[in-house]
Amino acid sequence: DQQVKQNSPSLSVQEGRISILNCDYTNSMFDYFLWYKKYPAEGPTFLISISSIKDKNEDGRFTVFLNKSAKHLSLHIVPSQPGDSAVYFCAASGMGKLIFGQGTELSVKP
Amino acid sequence: DVKVTQSSRYLVKRTGEKVFLECVQDMDHENMFWYRQDPGLGLRLIYFSYDVKMKEKGDIPEGYSVSREKKERFSLILESASTNQTSMYLCASSGAGGYNEQFFGPGTRLTVL
Repeated sequence: DQQVKQNSPSLSVQEGRISILNCDYTNSMFDYFLWYKKYPAEGPTFLISISSIKDKNEDGRFTVFLNKSAKHLSLHIVPSQPGDSAVYFCAASGMGKLIFGQGTELSVKP
Repeated sequence: DVKVTQSSRYLVKRTGEKVFLECVQDMDHENMFWYRQDPGLGLRLIYFSYDVKMKEKGDIPEGYSVSREKKERFSLILESASTNQTSMYLCASSGAGGYNEQFFGPGTRLTVL
């Protein structure tokens, strides 16, 4: 039973445009959400997070939006750059551990 | 610069072998985690530990065990490796408290033949 889902395995965007990565969750008890970025042959690195008491958190080109009623969060990258090409995982914090989605592979074309 | 290191980047073992994967963190973190990453399945938690000599099962503990004798070191053990344990194994650590981000090692690509 997948509690955190990323339904798009891949996404391709042009350099300079917006990338939107989506994530859905089922457990309303999750109270903190994170996005990680992973390059091939490296471990995931933390990107941005949001508490469930907020609906938006921004850090430079990266913004995370949380819609609690829909149990949905999204990561916006504006403008997208070729160096953003990686696999992005969303994660939800619950019971002292993180539950990860399946990941979305983002490809930013020059 | 914070660091999580894993003993091997690539490992090839035979079915039935006992396999040890070592993880060391230098951040004095209380929590340590072992995940495996498989295509289409994301990161799945195998075991985690909140303190020395403590361990908790994650979502897929079958076929694995762990050891945490020192705060900075967390070992994953495959008692008798099988081909379905071929995967990328990732170790992570985090500080005490519920909302601390996890820091990951570079991963070990294990192939079981």
